[in-house]
Amino acid sequence: KQEVTQIPAALSVPEGENLVLNCSFTDSAIYNLQWFRQDPGKGLTSLLLIQSSQREQTSGRLNASLDKSSGRSTLYIAASQPGDSATYLCAGYQGGSEKLVFGKGTKLTVNP
Amino acid sequence: NAGVTQTPKFRILKIGQSMTLQCTQDMNHNYMYWYRQDPGMGLKLIYYSVGAGITDKGEVPNGYNVSRSTTEDFPLRLELAAPSQTSVYFCASSYSFFGTAEKETQYFGPGTRLLVL
Repeated sequence: KQEVTQIPAALSVPEGENLVLNCSFTDSAIYNLQWFRQDPGKGLTSLLLIQSSQREQTSGRLNASLDKSSGRSTLYIAASQPGDSATYLCAGYQGGSEKLVFGKGTKLTVNP
Repeated sequence: NAGVTQTPKFRILKIGQSMTLQCTQDMNHNYMYWYRQDPGMGLKLIYYSVGAGITDKGEVPNGYNVSRSTTEDFPLRLELAAPSQTSVYFCASSYSFFGTAEKETQYFGPGTRLLVL
């Protein structure tokens, strides 16, 4: 059974800092891994999706990597801004299934 | 495109009442999903559908029912509401399970906040 873990649960950084959010998963047969952003009281917004044949994806200041052998994915945010403050969730598909399994998220606060 | 829309935004139910949470997508997506999100617990899959007429259980289906008569709509039915069903419910959709990253990406609605008293 796929399990997804995100550590730390919360992170506070000063504006301008480069930071890394971590996501680990137990099933290396993961099909793809998605990173989402959730603002308070809102739905989830997809940031990046890394397919199992890829190692990383980039969008603007965001870069996500996937290492299936180690069971890890990272989301790198460059030059963080207060507007990046949100909860970031990663999710992976359970092997051989269309069911997405979510981590509990990392709440990021970027202080001006 | 409006994307994924959900109604209502907020609802208070009494124990034992029933209700239907509505979800509609206008992106011609084949796959649709229902999740619940409890504080500190992440999102749990309730039911999902891979196309009209086809539904399957997720991780926490007890107390819920779904139907998928059209590509666009995927309502979630709560029968005999219980306090344990107090949660935020999200509907999501994607074009497919295999294909490009764009086709596999799940798009979420704004959520329905449900309080059962």
